[in-house]
Amino acid sequence: DTEVTQTPKHLVMGMTNKKSLKCEQHMGHRAMYWYKQKAKKPPELMFVYSYEKLSINESVPSRFSPECPNSSLLNLHLHALQPEDSALYLCASSQGERSVGELFFGEGSRLTVL
Amino acid sequence: RKEVEQDPGPFNVPEGATVAFNCTYSNSASQSFFWYRQDCRKEPKLLMSVYSSGNEDGRFTAQLNRASQYISLLIRDSKLSDSATYLCVVNMGYGGSQGNLIFGKGTKLSVKP
Repeated sequence: DTEVTQTPKHLVMGMTNKKSLKCEQHMGHRAMYWYKQKAKKPPELMFVYSYEKLSINESVPSRFSPECPNSSLLNLHLHALQPEDSALYLCASSQGERSVGELFFGEGSRLTVL
Repeated sequence: RKEVEQDPGPFNVPEGATVAFNCTYSNSASQSFFWYRQDCRKEPKLLMSVYSSGNEDGRFTAQLNRASQYISLLIRDSKLSDSATYLCVVNMGYGGSQGNLIFGKGTKLSVKP
C-alpha cells in the first residue's frame, strides 16, 4: 500500500470543466511533486513544492494550477484542458533535498479529457 | 545524445534466470542514481538507490561505472513477480535540486514459467 494517497483514481472531464486532483502524505516529507505520465512513456515532471513553496514549474500550461495548502497536501487544479492532456497524473513526495531521487509515488489519478 | 538511455526490451526470460539491464547517462557530473520498477498501470516504486559504486539488496545488484557513465541492474534467480518495467533515474544536478531528475524510458522485463 502506498503512503501517498491520491484522489480521485479516475476522472473524466470535458474541455470546459473545472476539476481538482488531490494528494496527501503523512510521512513528514517536505518536497512534493506532480508528474504526468502518458502510456509507454516515463513520468514527466510538472511541478515541485519544497517546504510548501513552488520551487519548480517545468513550463506547464496555465490550465494546470498547483496549490500546496500545507506540508501534507498538494492539489492540482484543472481548467479548460485539452484531449491531449489525458494521462496518468502522479503525485510524489520525498524527504527533501538530502534524498532527491528517492520518491514515494501515489497510485495516480487517471484523467480522460473529452 | 539522449540524457538517460535504456534498452526498451522486452527481455523475456525463464524463471530462475539471471538478467541484467544497462542504463547510460550523458552528464558526467551526475551525482546519484536510482532504479524504479513500475508494474502495468501502477505507480513507479523505488527499488534501489546508488550513491557510490553500487548497491546490493537480496537478488538485486546495482553497479555504477562512472568512467563509462552507465549503471547496471542485475536480477538473479528471476521470479514471475519480477515482471515489470524498470526505470533508470539519474540526478543530473548538484546538491538537492529536485528538478534535475531524469527518467529513462524504461526496460520491460517479462519472466515466464
